[in-house]
This record gives sequence, C-alpha cells and structure tokens, in this order.
Amino acid sequence: AAGVIQSPRHLIKEKRETATLKCYPIPRHDTVYWYQQGPGQDPQFLISFYEKMQSDKGSIPDRFSAQQFSDYHSELNMSSLELGDSALYFCASSSLLAGGQETQYFGPGTRLLVL
Amino acid sequence: AQTVTQSQPEMSVQEAETVTLSCTYDTSENNYYLFWYKQPPSRQMILVIRQEAYKQQNATENRFSVNFQKAAKSFSLKISDSQLGDTAMYFCAFEVQGAQKLVFGQGTRLTINP
Repeated sequence: AAGVIQSPRHLIKEKRETATLKCYPIPRHDTVYWYQQGPGQDPQFLISFYEKMQSDKGSIPDRFSAQQFSDYHSELNMSSLELGDSALYFCASSSLLAGGQETQYFGPGTRLLVL
Repeated sequence: AQTVTQSQPEMSVQEAETVTLSCTYDTSENNYYLFWYKQPPSRQMILVIRQEAYKQQNATENRFSVNFQKAAKSFSLKISDSQLGDTAMYFCAFEVQGAQKLVFGQGTRLTINP
C-alpha cells in the first residue's frame, strides 16, 4: 500500500537560511499534519490542514509557514533557521472517508540539521 | 489541555515474554481516540493499535492488545510473545475527536533481549 512520502529525507542548512520540506499524503487522504521531534523527545504537533484549509495549529514558530495545495500535498517553509530547529520533521495524513477516521499515518520524516 | 503520561522511561524483557507498557492521560473530553505508535531505530513512526473511547471492548492486533480503563484514564499496551523486532520506542498518543492533532506521551524505550 502507498505510504506518506516526504522529501528530502535529509537536509543540512546553515543558520539564517531557509528550508522547504514537502509531504505527499496517502492517496485519497484529505488531512495533513506536521510534527517536530527533537533529539530524545516526543513528537510535537506543529500544524494541520484539511481540504487545503488550516485546521489546527500548535507550537509552530512564526518563522515557519505551511500550506496544502490543490493536489493535497503540503509544504512546510522554515525561514531564519536556528540551531534549535535541528530535528526530525514528520508529516502524517489521514482521511475522514477511508474508514480510518482520526488515524494518522506517518511518513519517514525529514532529518534537518542546522549548522 | 490534554496531557499524556508514560511513567516507564525504559523497560527490558527476554524474548518470548509478555510485557505491559503503561499510559495515563488527562482530559475533560468524552469523545476521543487513543493510539500506540512504535518508533524503531529507523525512527519511522508505525501505528501499532488504536482504541475509540466510546468502545468498551479492548482493541487487539495479533500479539498486541490494550487495557483501556476509561474511568481511570488508563491505556496500557500488552505485547505477548515478544520478539527481537519489537525493540523500539513506544509512544502513547491521544486525539480529541475532530481536533486533528495528536498529543504524545514521553515514550517508553523497550528492549527485547535474546
């Protein structure tokens, strides 16, 4: 079965640079979520989108923005990167119609390292 | 706000033994979902099992089962006949119906020894 696709899988940036993370949900999934997992920590919710509209927002810095496009893929844009932004960024998707309501399936994550 | 607590930072058992991971949560909501996710060394987040709060019957998936005690706000995971491949970090997670975000516990690092 198709899974959530994230790209790139690894990313190295310098401080103050910009990064864009992409997420392609499972086909026919209409909701996308972004999480940040720091070293040795549990995942923290950043933001979610349902049918291309922002549906919930967590502890996402103002330097970060995200959107969901007409083909349901999502992008997380991160500007003015800081050392503390180094983390594993997960995208997850779910569907209200696929019989799996409220079950989020995670992608492999993007490992971001800020130097 | 909802909180999820996993009081066992690390656990270790022998292969083929049964192990139970604990999770408690705090919420004033009545309709919600509970999950266990597994994160092996690859760091992929893998869904293990899910429980709807309105269901009294405990969820089961092969060797994995839960003990859901709604009144006590407890949601433990039992792994039977543990295997080396079960070695991973296990996260308990909570989601209010319609909230569209997961709240995770701190995780329990489980090691299965040969």
